[in-house]
Amino acid sequence: AQSVTQPDIHITVSEGASLELRCNYSYGATPYLFWYVQSPGQGLQLLLKYFSGDTLVQGIKGFEAEFKRSQSSFNLRKPSVHWSDAAEYFCAVASYSSASKIIFGSGTRLSIRP
Amino acid sequence: NAGVTQTPKFQVLKTGQSMTLQCAQDMNHNSMYWYRQDPGMGLRLIYYSASEGTTDKGEVPNGYNVSRLNKREFSLRLESAAPSQTSVYFCASIFRLAGDEQYFGPGTRLTVT
Repeated sequence: AQSVTQPDIHITVSEGASLELRCNYSYGATPYLFWYVQSPGQGLQLLLKYFSGDTLVQGIKGFEAEFKRSQSSFNLRKPSVHWSDAAEYFCAVASYSSASKIIFGSGTRLSIRP
Repeated sequence: NAGVTQTPKFQVLKTGQSMTLQCAQDMNHNSMYWYRQDPGMGLRLIYYSASEGTTDKGEVPNGYNVSRLNKREFSLRLESAAPSQTSVYFCASIFRLAGDEQYFGPGTRLTVT
């Protein structure tokens, strides 16, 4: 069965430090992969997506993610975080063919230390 | 474009009451979705509509019904609300699954007492 695991429930990093949020998926075929961000009280906004091609994907707000098929991972990175990056981050995986097969991870809450 | 809109933003119900959450999108998207978000559980799919005129159950459909009124609108109904349905509900839409991402509404925070 498809699944998405975000092993870190809560991460705190200092402003200006680098960030990596982990995402592992279980899926039988090549998936579509997404990272979304949710600020408090808001809906979800797409940061980046991977469908095919270059395995290093650039997104908005200075984020990037790398698809590693051998590790079934799609980790999100940012070289230098800003206080405004404090939010909840969700990884998601989707099927090519089925509209119902969009699975979200349980999320990682990011806090920024001044 | 307003994107995906949801009404109401907040709602408090008593156990056993009914209500309908409304969702509309103006992006000519084909598929629409209802999710619920609970702490530590991410988003769980309640129902979806792959195209106008079709609806299907997702992961947690019990206690809910949906109507795809037309291509723009997709409503979620709670016939007899229960405290376990206290959650934040998100509507989302997508033009086509192969190559697009979902667009989300701002959410409805529902409390059932």
